[in-house]
Amino acid sequence: KAGVTQTPRYLIKTRGQQVTLSCSPISGHRSVSWYQQTPGQGLQFLFEYFSETQRNKGNFPGRFSGRQFSNSRSEMNVSTLELGDSALYLCASSLELGTSSTRGTGELFFGEGSRLTVL
Amino acid sequence: AQSVAQPEDQVNVAEGNPLTVKCTYSVSGNPYLFWYVQYPNRGLQFLLKYITGDNLVKGSYGFEAEFNKSQTSFHLKKPSALVSDSALYFCAVSARGLYNQGGKLIFGQGTELSVKP
Repeated sequence: KAGVTQTPRYLIKTRGQQVTLSCSPISGHRSVSWYQQTPGQGLQFLFEYFSETQRNKGNFPGRFSGRQFSNSRSEMNVSTLELGDSALYLCASSLELGTSSTRGTGELFFGEGSRLTVL
Repeated sequence: AQSVAQPEDQVNVAEGNPLTVKCTYSVSGNPYLFWYVQYPNRGLQFLLKYITGDNLVKGSYGFEAEFNKSQTSFHLKKPSALVSDSALYFCAVSARGLYNQGGKLIFGQGTELSVKP
């Protein structure tokens, strides 16, 4: 079974530009989450999508947005880039934890990440 | 509010010796607890989890973790460290509840494990 795929792996942008990152979850996983990893702040939760709906949201400004498509693939967008947005952006997928018939066991499966550098 | 603490930024161990990476948590209700490992310029790899049941959980690559509810701890252990275990280790918690919070994990700051030959 293929893992979580993130594209692009590396990208360089300049301040003020915008960027879109893509994530394809593991087949059958309907939850996709995004995390930002920086040396100073560590791993911070951005948002989670399930069935094309944002279900949870972290404490990030509105410049950070995302969406999920009907095939569970997800994209996140950062507009008006700032130097501080330089980070490794990680996508993770997981099984639904809800009812016993669909219960997963909660672990997230991460992609390799998209390394964004803002100059 | 949920939180996770990894009190050691770095742990140094000689190859063949046992290792422990510490983690304490704070969460309302019963927690889901996880350990992940990250190698340089890579994503996070799942090691093990505690959901319910036995307090000693066994995971990948010979790692295990002990859940201690009274001390709110979930320390990662391995009886005999390998040089290849050198990496960044993250403890994480998710609040268990009726509604799914599965995609939202709260991570500790990470502990750099260095195993020397």
